[in-house]
This record gives sequence, C-alpha cells and structure tokens, in this order.
Amino acid sequence: DTGVSQDPRHKITKRGQNVTFRCDPISEHNRLYWYRQTLGQGPEFLTYFQNEAQLEKSRLLSDRFSAERPKGSFSTLEIQRTEQGDSAMYLCASSLESGAGNTIYFGEGSWLTVV
Amino acid sequence: GNSVTQMEGPVTLSEEAFLTINCTYTATGYPSLFWYVQYPGEGLQLLLKATKADDKGSNKGFEATYRKETTSFHLEKGSVQVSDSAVYFCAPLHSGNTPLVFGKGTRLSVIA
Repeated sequence: DTGVSQDPRHKITKRGQNVTFRCDPISEHNRLYWYRQTLGQGPEFLTYFQNEAQLEKSRLLSDRFSAERPKGSFSTLEIQRTEQGDSAMYLCASSLESGAGNTIYFGEGSWLTVV
Repeated sequence: GNSVTQMEGPVTLSEEAFLTINCTYTATGYPSLFWYVQYPGEGLQLLLKATKADDKGSNKGFEATYRKETTSFHLEKGSVQVSDSAVYFCAPLHSGNTPLVFGKGTRLSVIA
C-alpha cells in the first residue's frame, strides 16, 4: 500500500494558463475526493467520485474546474484560465466505501501558485 | 448536514504540558468521528478515529472519546512534545454519501 499520491507537488503558473493535477488513490479504493485548502483554513470539499461516477460537486467548483476519473482509478483535476484566487493546496483523498467508519486517506497535496 | 466546531487556536503549550482540544459536532444519525493532523507543508494524516458512542480512539499518546450525549470528541494528550506542533482537525463522517467536513482546525505550538 503506497498511499495516495499526487502530482505535481508544486506548480507555479501564470494567470490565464490551464493546469492539471493528477491523483492516484490507494489501490482498490472506490471513492476519490478532491479538496482545496488555503492558508489558515481547513480543507474545503470540491468533488468526489465513486468508481468513475462523479457523485457530488461543491458550489466552489466553478465552470473553470473539471475533474475526471475515467477508469475508476486515477483522477485528474483541471483548472482552466487560472486566476490568482485559485492559489491553494489541492488535496486528493481516497477511501473504500463499505459501510460505517470508512477512513479517508489523504495525499500530500499539490500546491498551486498563480502569478 | 454535518458540521464541526473546534476551539480557536493557536494553542501554545510548554513541552510535557497536558493538551485538550475541544471538538463538538452536528450530524444526522451517528457519524464516525476522526481527528486528522497536518504538519507544515504536508497533507492530512489520520491521527485517530471512533465509530460508535463511547468508543475511545488512541494513537501516539493522543486519545479522544466519542460522547454521543454531548456530541463531542475532544482530543487529549497527557504530555505534549515539540514534535506535536501541527494543525489538528476534527471531522465527522456520516455513513451515507456525504464527504468529510472540516472546520478551520486548531494550531498547536509546543515550545521547549
């Protein structure tokens, strides 16, 4: 079990550019989550998948954001036309949904800085 | 929906002091309860959890007891170390399809 891995760990981009983050969940975990965290705040939920189906999206997820999990394994989060307000850490997490008490495991996060 | 209230930080303690970080939650039904810890520049790590009333989660000297009657899950440690300096998050998780909900967390600084 190698844990949840995220790539890249750090990304600096110019305003208006597109960026994509990748998340590889723990193998056989059927649920995958994306969160955003800004300095001094707790993680804010963005969206989650069960297998390849995107089951819920937060209102925080504007039209510039899109997430996919095409084969029910890894996921990508793309931000189009980045803005300075998108600067944050993007956290991916995964869990095995099998009833109560499922633990959600987080990756190390992907830091985005928009200049 | 689920929500959580944690004591405001930052909390500053001397090494070997006793730690309590209060956490109360609101949730439908009987959620599982988690404490996560975040060290500077890193993601969240699971610290401990409890899945039903009166359960006690424990790890690395930290403990928290699921109190259904007071809807609380306070984190305690008898003797903190400098290495415990981090941000701590309490989070309820219902067994349904709602994701984890986090508050702002409580920053702990332990000084030697």
